[in-house]
Amino acid sequence: QKEVEQDPGPLSVPEGAIVSLNCTYSNSAFQYFMWYRQYSRKGPELLMYTYSSGNKEDGRFTAQVDKSSKYISLFIRDSQPSDSATYLCAMSASGAGSYQLTFGKGTKLSVIP
Amino acid sequence: EPEVTQTPSHQVTQMGQEVILRCVPISNHLYFYWYRQILGQKVEFLVSFYNNEISEKSEIFDDQFSVERPDGSNFTLKIRSTKLEDSAMYFCASSEASGGTGNIQYFGAGTRLSVL
Repeated sequence: QKEVEQDPGPLSVPEGAIVSLNCTYSNSAFQYFMWYRQYSRKGPELLMYTYSSGNKEDGRFTAQVDKSSKYISLFIRDSQPSDSATYLCAMSASGAGSYQLTFGKGTKLSVIP
Repeated sequence: EPEVTQTPSHQVTQMGQEVILRCVPISNHLYFYWYRQILGQKVEFLVSFYNNEISEKSEIFDDQFSVERPDGSNFTLKIRSTKLEDSAMYFCASSEASGGTGNIQYFGAGTRLSVL
């Protein structure tokens, strides 16, 4: 069983649509949940960060974590062509030592004008 | 805005050669990481580094790999004898601390390693 599963898409939506991106995970030790955006051949850029369960909103972006279901989501409202990128979920455990991130495979999103 | 910088952006090498990938983490960060991404695959953790020693490493990080912080600003990844399967994007990341928002990792733009 893979630790983090993410539908790779591709996902194509019209401009202005609401986008929903999701990941499931199996490791109950994960406490920190992140969404990164990655443009082609570039480094991951942090979008959202959530600790444990709950919702977090930042402008057009909302991150949700449901630890009981081991399910996280990223919603993008009023999507723009500039949102076209690959979206990576990532998560890590807490505790002494390092906080290595475990990534999903990424969902490629295209927002069509 | 502070950022993680990586050099070179693209490195081409012959199989069996040694390569050193360089990174300058964000200046007040204490934790440093290397990840790699083979084309079309997930970003994978290689190693983390804190207080001048390796904190954790993955199965990928075998004896062919080493990391070093040679001075107060640089953080390097050395691959001793490159193989074809080492071809990938290598990302350096850094974080302020461990726990809480200090755990947030910021990534560089990556070095694309091509082994011929």
